[in-house]
Amino acid sequence: DAGITQSPRHKVTETGTPVTLRCHQTENHRYMYWYRQDPGHGLRLIHYSYGVKDTDKGEVSDGYSVSRSKTEDFLLTLESATSSQTSVYFCAISDRGVQETQYFGPGTRLLVL
Amino acid sequence: AQSVSQHNHHVILSEAASLELGCNYSYGGTVNLFWYVQYPGQHLQLLLKYFSGDPLVKGIKGFEAEFIKSKFSFNLRKPSVQWSDTAEYFCAVIEGSTLGRLYFGRGTQLTVWP
Repeated sequence: DAGITQSPRHKVTETGTPVTLRCHQTENHRYMYWYRQDPGHGLRLIHYSYGVKDTDKGEVSDGYSVSRSKTEDFLLTLESATSSQTSVYFCAISDRGVQETQYFGPGTRLLVL
Repeated sequence: AQSVSQHNHHVILSEAASLELGCNYSYGGTVNLFWYVQYPGQHLQLLLKYFSGDPLVKGIKGFEAEFIKSKFSFNLRKPSVQWSDTAEYFCAVIEGSTLGRLYFGRGTQLTVWP
């Protein structure tokens, strides 16, 4: 398995509070991604990063921000958590090339009350 | 935007039965295709992938998939399933022109009864 860790693994929070999820990789891959997984929707891309301080939006980016100050860390922040953001969040990494393959972390289960 | 369809949402089989899970995508150009598996409580693991060449791709645990360009399909198969194959299976596609944008199908839950 790729060297990807996510923290926390589980979190319960209240509506309106900020939440930050961390993804840490030991593979030195340039590209990192945040997805959310919801029943009936598969995985949907929130944001991704193509280098330190280089990020871009995915298809469901509203209400989320990201930061990447180091190659190994990619942070996802929910500015003001809402119940609709209750989900499982997965980080992925890739060493982009013609034959890009993304490898996934263990996930963070977030419950917003 | 790319669209990925998995027509079977829940498949229930007995052990030793054959499996075929459908996957269709919408993009007409060059694509990279993937099947991921998610065992209960675990993260996604890569099952197999297709980039080019032989359209019949073999993956881990006896799974294989066939890319049929004319049908925009990438169906997953296994000749004889086991109880341990119980999991959720996701088809995913990257368009050749937008590397990094991995689009997922909604997933197929496979339940195998011993």
